[in-house]
Amino acid sequence: GESVGLHLPTLSVQEGDNSIINCAYSNSASDYFIWYKQESGKGPQFIIDIRSNMDKRQGQRVTVLLNKTVKHLSLQIAATQPGDSAVYFCAENEISDYKLSFGAGTTVTVRA
Amino acid sequence: KAGVTQTPRYLIKTRGQQVTLSCSPISGHRSVSWYQQTPGQGLQFLFEYFSETQRNKGNFPGRFSGRQFSNSRSEMNVSTLELGDSALYLCASSADGAYGYTFGSGTRLTVV
Repeated sequence: GESVGLHLPTLSVQEGDNSIINCAYSNSASDYFIWYKQESGKGPQFIIDIRSNMDKRQGQRVTVLLNKTVKHLSLQIAATQPGDSAVYFCAENEISDYKLSFGAGTTVTVRA
Repeated sequence: KAGVTQTPRYLIKTRGQQVTLSCSPISGHRSVSWYQQTPGQGLQFLFEYFSETQRNKGNFPGRFSGRQFSNSRSEMNVSTLELGDSALYLCASSADGAYGYTFGSGTRLTVV
Protein backbone atom coordinates (compact mmCIF):
# COMPACT_ATOMS: atom_id res chain seq x y z
CA GLY A 1 0.00 0.00 0.00
CA GLU A 2 0.95 3.67 -0.02
CA SER A 3 3.01 4.78 2.95
CA VAL A 4 5.48 7.31 4.15
CA GLY A 5 8.53 6.21 6.06
CA LEU A 6 11.56 7.64 7.78
CA HIS A 7 14.96 6.18 7.16
CA LEU A 8 16.26 6.16 10.73
CA PRO A 9 14.35 5.63 13.96
CA THR A 10 16.86 7.60 16.05
CA LEU A 11 19.31 10.44 15.53
CA SER A 12 21.79 11.79 18.07
CA VAL A 13 23.14 15.28 17.36
CA GLN A 14 25.64 17.52 19.09
CA GLU A 15 24.22 20.85 20.18
CA GLY A 16 25.04 23.49 17.60
CA ASP A 17 25.41 21.02 14.73
CA ASN A 18 22.99 20.76 11.84
CA SER A 19 20.50 17.88 11.77
CA ILE A 20 19.12 16.13 8.74
CA ILE A 21 16.09 13.88 9.02
CA ASN A 22 15.07 11.85 6.01
CA CYS A 23 11.81 10.42 4.81
CA ALA A 24 10.86 8.27 1.83
CA TYR A 25 7.36 8.17 0.42
CA SER A 26 5.81 5.88 -2.11
CA ASN A 27 2.63 7.64 -3.27
CA SER A 28 3.56 9.49 -6.43
CA ALA A 29 0.16 11.22 -6.31
CA SER A 30 0.98 12.97 -3.03
CA ASP A 31 0.42 16.72 -3.31
CA TYR A 32 1.45 18.03 0.03
CA PHE A 33 4.06 17.16 2.64
CA ILE A 34 4.41 18.24 6.24
CA TRP A 35 6.96 17.84 9.00
CA TYR A 36 5.73 17.65 12.57
CA LYS A 37 7.56 17.66 15.89
CA GLN A 38 6.07 15.81 18.83
CA GLU A 39 7.25 16.21 22.39
CA SER A 40 6.33 13.80 25.13
CA GLY A 41 2.72 14.15 26.21
CA LYS A 42 1.84 16.61 23.45
CA GLY A 43 0.22 16.50 20.05
CA PRO A 44 2.22 16.90 16.82
CA GLN A 45 3.37 20.47 16.29
CA PHE A 46 3.60 21.84 12.74
CA ILE A 47 7.16 22.68 11.67
CA ILE A 48 7.06 23.31 7.94
CA ASP A 49 5.23 22.15 4.85
CA ILE A 50 5.85 21.98 1.12
CA ARG A 51 3.65 21.45 -1.89
CA SER A 52 4.51 19.14 -4.73
CA ASN A 53 5.18 22.03 -7.14
CA MET A 54 8.16 23.12 -5.03
CA ASP A 55 11.47 21.43 -4.23
CA LYS A 56 12.70 23.57 -1.35
CA ARG A 57 11.18 25.72 1.33
CA GLN A 58 12.83 27.51 4.23
CA GLY A 59 11.57 28.54 7.61
CA GLN A 60 13.21 29.74 10.76
CA ARG A 61 16.22 27.41 11.23
CA VAL A 62 14.49 24.71 9.18
CA THR A 63 14.56 23.76 5.52
CA VAL A 64 12.50 21.11 3.78
CA LEU A 65 13.71 19.54 0.57
CA LEU A 66 11.48 17.53 -1.74
CA ASN A 67 12.86 15.26 -4.45
CA LYS A 68 9.93 13.90 -6.40
CA THR A 69 12.13 11.91 -8.74
CA VAL A 70 13.21 9.57 -5.96
CA LYS A 71 10.23 10.27 -3.69
CA HIS A 72 12.36 11.64 -0.88
CA LEU A 73 11.71 14.34 1.69
CA SER A 74 14.17 15.75 4.19
CA LEU A 75 14.13 18.18 7.07
CA GLN A 76 17.24 20.15 7.90
CA ILE A 77 17.53 21.86 11.26
CA ALA A 78 20.29 24.44 11.58
CA ALA A 79 22.24 24.92 14.82
CA THR A 80 20.33 22.22 16.70
CA GLN A 81 19.32 23.18 20.22
CA PRO A 82 18.31 21.10 23.26
CA GLY A 83 14.71 22.18 22.71
CA ASP A 84 14.81 20.41 19.35
CA SER A 85 14.88 17.03 21.11
CA ALA A 86 11.64 15.32 20.12
CA VAL A 87 10.13 12.82 17.72
CA TYR A 88 9.86 14.10 14.16
CA PHE A 89 7.27 12.80 11.72
CA CYS A 90 6.86 13.37 8.04
CA ALA A 91 3.37 13.19 6.62
CA GLU A 92 1.99 13.24 3.14
CA ASN A 93 -1.40 14.05 1.77
CA GLU A 94 -3.04 13.34 -1.53
CA ILE A 95 -5.32 16.31 -1.09
CA SER A 96 -8.35 14.68 -2.62
CA ASP A 97 -8.16 12.01 0.12
CA TYR A 98 -8.45 14.49 3.00
CA LYS A 99 -6.11 12.49 5.20
CA LEU A 100 -2.49 12.47 6.29
CA SER A 101 -0.32 9.37 6.09
CA PHE A 102 2.51 9.40 8.59
CA GLY A 103 5.91 7.84 8.71
CA ALA A 104 7.11 5.97 11.78
CA GLY A 105 9.02 8.91 13.25
CA THR A 106 12.62 9.73 14.09
CA THR A 107 13.61 10.42 17.69
CA VAL A 108 16.13 13.23 17.79
CA THR A 109 18.31 13.58 20.87
CA VAL A 110 20.50 16.64 21.24
CA ARG A 111 23.73 16.14 23.20
CA ALA A 112 25.03 19.06 25.23
CA LYS B 1 -6.14 32.64 17.99
CA ALA B 2 -7.13 29.60 20.05
CA GLY B 3 -5.78 26.26 18.90
CA VAL B 4 -7.45 22.89 18.62
CA THR B 5 -9.04 21.90 21.92
CA GLN B 6 -9.57 18.28 22.86
CA THR B 7 -11.44 17.10 25.93
CA PRO B 8 -10.95 15.31 28.14
CA ARG B 9 -7.13 15.04 28.29
CA TYR B 10 -7.16 11.70 30.06
CA LEU B 11 -9.69 8.89 30.36
CA ILE B 12 -9.67 5.51 32.03
CA LYS B 13 -12.38 3.10 30.96
CA THR B 14 -13.21 -0.54 31.49
CA ARG B 15 -13.43 -3.10 28.72
CA GLY B 16 -16.87 -3.21 27.21
CA GLN B 17 -17.72 0.40 28.03
CA GLN B 18 -18.08 3.15 25.47
CA VAL B 19 -16.39 6.53 25.32
CA THR B 20 -16.95 9.86 23.61
CA LEU B 21 -14.14 12.27 22.85
CA SER B 22 -14.59 15.88 21.84
CA CYS B 23 -12.68 18.22 19.55
CA SER B 24 -13.16 21.94 18.96
CA PRO B 25 -11.29 23.10 15.85
CA ILE B 26 -9.61 26.41 15.23
CA SER B 27 -12.19 29.10 14.59
CA GLY B 28 -13.08 29.17 10.90
CA HIS B 29 -11.78 25.67 10.18
CA ARG B 30 -14.42 23.41 8.73
CA SER B 31 -12.44 20.18 8.44
CA VAL B 32 -11.82 17.96 11.44
CA SER B 33 -9.95 14.67 11.26
CA TRP B 34 -9.13 12.09 13.89
CA TYR B 35 -6.04 9.95 14.34
CA GLN B 36 -5.08 7.14 16.68
CA GLN B 37 -1.50 7.01 17.93
CA THR B 38 -0.03 3.88 19.50
CA PRO B 39 3.60 2.82 19.99
CA GLY B 40 3.12 -0.20 17.76
CA GLN B 41 1.10 1.26 14.87
CA GLY B 42 2.13 4.89 14.96
CA LEU B 43 -0.30 7.53 13.75
CA GLN B 44 -3.27 6.12 11.90
CA PHE B 45 -6.12 7.97 10.24
CA LEU B 46 -9.61 7.33 11.60
CA PHE B 47 -11.92 9.69 9.70
CA GLU B 48 -12.38 13.20 8.37
CA TYR B 49 -15.41 15.47 8.47
CA PHE B 50 -16.16 18.64 6.57
CA SER B 51 -19.37 20.61 7.03
CA GLU B 52 -20.94 17.70 8.92
CA THR B 53 -20.14 15.18 6.15
CA GLN B 54 -17.68 12.33 6.47
CA ARG B 55 -15.43 12.46 3.43
CA ASN B 56 -12.99 9.70 4.25
CA LYS B 57 -12.67 6.86 6.73
CA GLY B 58 -9.68 4.79 7.75
CA ASN B 59 -9.45 1.07 8.23
CA PHE B 60 -10.97 0.75 11.69
CA PRO B 61 -13.85 -1.43 12.89
CA GLY B 62 -17.37 -0.07 13.05
CA ARG B 63 -17.01 0.41 16.82
CA PHE B 64 -15.25 3.65 15.93
CA SER B 65 -17.61 6.37 14.80
CA GLY B 66 -17.70 10.12 14.64
CA ARG B 67 -19.78 13.09 13.82
CA GLN B 68 -19.46 16.80 13.25
CA PHE B 69 -21.82 19.51 14.34
CA SER B 70 -22.90 22.64 12.52
CA ASN B 71 -20.38 24.70 14.51
CA SER B 72 -17.60 22.36 13.23
CA ARG B 73 -17.02 20.78 16.62
CA SER B 74 -16.56 17.05 16.33
CA GLU B 75 -16.97 14.02 18.52
CA MET B 76 -15.72 10.50 18.12
CA ASN B 77 -17.19 7.51 19.87
CA VAL B 78 -15.74 4.11 20.56
CA SER B 79 -18.16 1.43 21.68
CA THR B 80 -17.45 -1.90 23.35
CA LEU B 81 -13.94 -0.87 24.31
CA GLU B 82 -11.11 -3.35 24.00
CA LEU B 83 -7.69 -3.27 25.66
CA GLY B 84 -6.15 -2.56 22.27
CA ASP B 85 -8.06 0.70 21.99
CA SER B 86 -5.73 2.22 24.56
CA ALA B 87 -4.04 5.03 22.68
CA LEU B 88 -3.58 8.73 22.24
CA TYR B 89 -6.44 10.04 20.12
CA LEU B 90 -5.57 13.16 18.20
CA CYS B 91 -7.79 15.61 16.44
CA ALA B 92 -6.58 17.88 13.64
CA SER B 93 -8.33 20.84 12.11
CA SER B 94 -7.86 22.39 8.71
CA ALA B 95 -9.66 25.09 6.80
CA ASP B 96 -10.38 22.75 3.90
CA GLY B 97 -8.94 19.32 4.69
CA ALA B 98 -6.27 19.71 2.04
CA TYR B 99 -3.64 21.90 3.67
CA GLY B 100 -2.61 23.34 7.01
CA TYR B 101 -3.45 20.66 9.54
CA THR B 102 -3.14 21.73 13.19
CA PHE B 103 -3.30 19.11 15.90
CA GLY B 104 -4.68 19.25 19.38
CA SER B 105 -2.90 17.85 22.43
CA GLY B 106 -4.90 14.65 22.29
CA THR B 107 -6.94 12.51 24.63
CA ARG B 108 -5.06 9.71 26.32
CA LEU B 109 -7.45 6.76 26.61
CA THR B 110 -6.55 3.83 28.82
CA VAL B 111 -8.75 0.73 28.74
CA VAL B 112 -8.41 -1.61 31.72
